Amino acid sequence: GAGVSQSPRYKVTKRGQDVALRCDPISGHVSLYWYRQALGQGPEFLTYFNYEAQQDKSGLPNDRFSAERPEGSISTLTIQRTEQRDSAMYRCASSAGPNYEQYFGPGTRLTVT
Amino acid sequence: GENVEQHPSTLSVQEGDSAVIKCTYSDSASNYFPWYKQELGKRPQLIIDIRSNVGEKKDQRIAVTLNKTAKHFSLHITETQPEDSAVYFCAASYNQGGKLIFGQGTELSVKP
Repeated sequence: GAGVSQSPRYKVTKRGQDVALRCDPISGHVSLYWYRQALGQGPEFLTYFNYEAQQDKSGLPNDRFSAERPEGSISTLTIQRTEQRDSAMYRCASSAGPNYEQYFGPGTRLTVT
Repeated sequence: GENVEQHPSTLSVQEGDSAVIKCTYSDSASNYFPWYKQELGKRPQLIIDIRSNVGEKKDQRIAVTLNKTAKHFSLHITETQPEDSAVYFCAASYNQGGKLIFGQGTELSVKP
């Protein structure tokens, strides 16, 4: 079946603009995770959901970052008033449940100019 | 705090040799330990994982061992091939939830 998909794959935005990154998990997967990956580094946890409930948002860097998963399927990560330091690869992963195998999407490469 | 240390950061082996990558974790409640392989420009791909009720797991040329007392786990690749060249990341679940804490990565190079 289809894997995790993310859109857009690339996003270039000007400093101060808001951006919305979308994740479409594997069908039926209960848990959905957002990570940020800097070049040459391991993924860094941002937040995760079980169904529509946000379970942990301890990794969100500041209050400009938010995420939602209103119907327990597709999720959106929103960054308001983007800054250059927000430039990174944003990856989504999904799993059948907490502590099950996590499968990553292709990522969205965000560049803030 | 939550932390996973991974060593070495780079590893170069000859084709056919074995490669070992080691990780230590800080959260004694961690109970799930996956390993991911990431090729250049690609997404991380799960290659093997182990849970805390098991000491060792094998899948063909890949094996993972876990020492809960010492809080460390290792990836072993035997009979390495050039296509094994990639960056490998270990991870540990945190707080018995779904959150994964990743190591810093090991760049493995297998020379033909």
